[in-house]
Formats: sequence, structure tokens, C-alpha cells
Amino acid sequence: AQSVAQPEDQVNVAEGNPLTVKCTYSVSGNPYLFWYVQYPNRGLQFLLKYITGDNLVKGSYGFEAEFNKSQTSFHLKKPSALVSDSALYFCAVRDEENRDDKIIFGKGTRLHILP
Amino acid sequence: DAGITQSPRHKVTETGTPVTLRCHQTENHRYMYWYRQDPGHGLRLIHYSYGVKDTDKGEVSDGYSVSRSKTEDFLLTLESATSSQTSVYFCAISEGTSGRPTGELFFGEGSRLTVL
Repeated sequence: AQSVAQPEDQVNVAEGNPLTVKCTYSVSGNPYLFWYVQYPNRGLQFLLKYITGDNLVKGSYGFEAEFNKSQTSFHLKKPSALVSDSALYFCAVRDEENRDDKIIFGKGTRLHILP
Repeated sequence: DAGITQSPRHKVTETGTPVTLRCHQTENHRYMYWYRQDPGHGLRLIHYSYGVKDTDKGEVSDGYSVSRSKTEDFLLTLESATSSQTSVYFCAISEGTSGRPTGELFFGEGSRLTVL
């Protein structure tokens, strides 16, 4: 069964600094990987996805993520953090090779951008 | 914004009573999902549907059942609610491509359920 681990419950970053939110995954086949964001008192929004091709994927709001097959990781990054990036971030995975329609999420990482 | 609505948005009920949450979409998407969100657990998949009358279990399906009699509606039922089912429930929808969900989920606004 597929699974996702987000090893950090919380990440604090100063405004203007680069940020990284970590995600590792486990699937038996090829993964489809996703990042979602939940702003305070708002719903969940799709940020970006990796299906195949370039290992560096660009998404909404200046975020990008790097797929690393050997390390089974899909870390979310942004070159310069904004206070408005403060939110709860979720990594998710679907097992494409085994044609599994489940989309499994991690426990989430709360990102605090300090002014 | 994707046309997806959940009802009720808030509900308080007592242990042992049945509860049904409704997810309604106007996007004609094939795939629909029910998740629950709890502090420390993130989002956990309860059940999902890959078409009318086609459903399957997720990670935490015990105590829950679902039904999908029409493309646009996906119902989540707690047959006999327990306090451990106090949570925020999210419905999500996904388009399909080549017979599989794209995985780009559009979420409803959530239903907050409290079981006393």
C-alpha cells in the first residue's frame, strides 16, 4: 500500500529566506505525487503535481517541488518565502503502476513564515 | 472554483445516532473521495468512488459506508456515530484521464461533525 511521510510537524522560516517542506513516499509502482495547501479557515487547494518527465515541477504561488526517485522524496521548495505562505501543507501520492485510484495524504506540515 | 458543495456544514449529534453527509458536484467528474481531517493525523481516506455504484474502501473505512447512485452525489453514512468520529470531513473530486484519476483534487469546504 502506498504511504507518505512528512517528517516535520512544523517548519519556521524567516521571510525572504528559501523554504523547504519535506516529503518521502512509498509505493510499489510508479508514483504520481502532489502537494496541497490549506490556508487558515479555508479549504484545501492543489499546488502542483509530478507525473513523469522533469524532476523539477513548478506550481502555483511560486512553489516548486523536486522528485528524487532514488531517495523516494518529493520536497516542496520556494526560493523566497512570504508571510502569506504560512499555512498547512500536505503531500499526497497515488500508485499509478498498480492502477490504484486511492490518493493518500501525509499528516501535513505547518509552515510559519516569520516577518 | 469547482462546483462542489457539502451538507451539512456543521452537525452536532449524539453517540449511536446515524448521520449522513452529502457531497454534491456540478463538474461531472468521475472520481469522488471522502477524507477526514484530524490534528496529528492529517487527511485520511475513508472511501472513494470511481463511478456510479462503484466504490471502494480507503484507509479508515470501519464504521462508515458510502453510496453513489448518481454521478453528482456521493453520500457518507455513519451508521451509529461514535465520539471517535468527531472530525472535519472533506469531499473531493477528480477528473479522469485514460481511465484513472488525474489526482488533481478539488475539495469541498468541509463538514464539521461533533459526536457527543
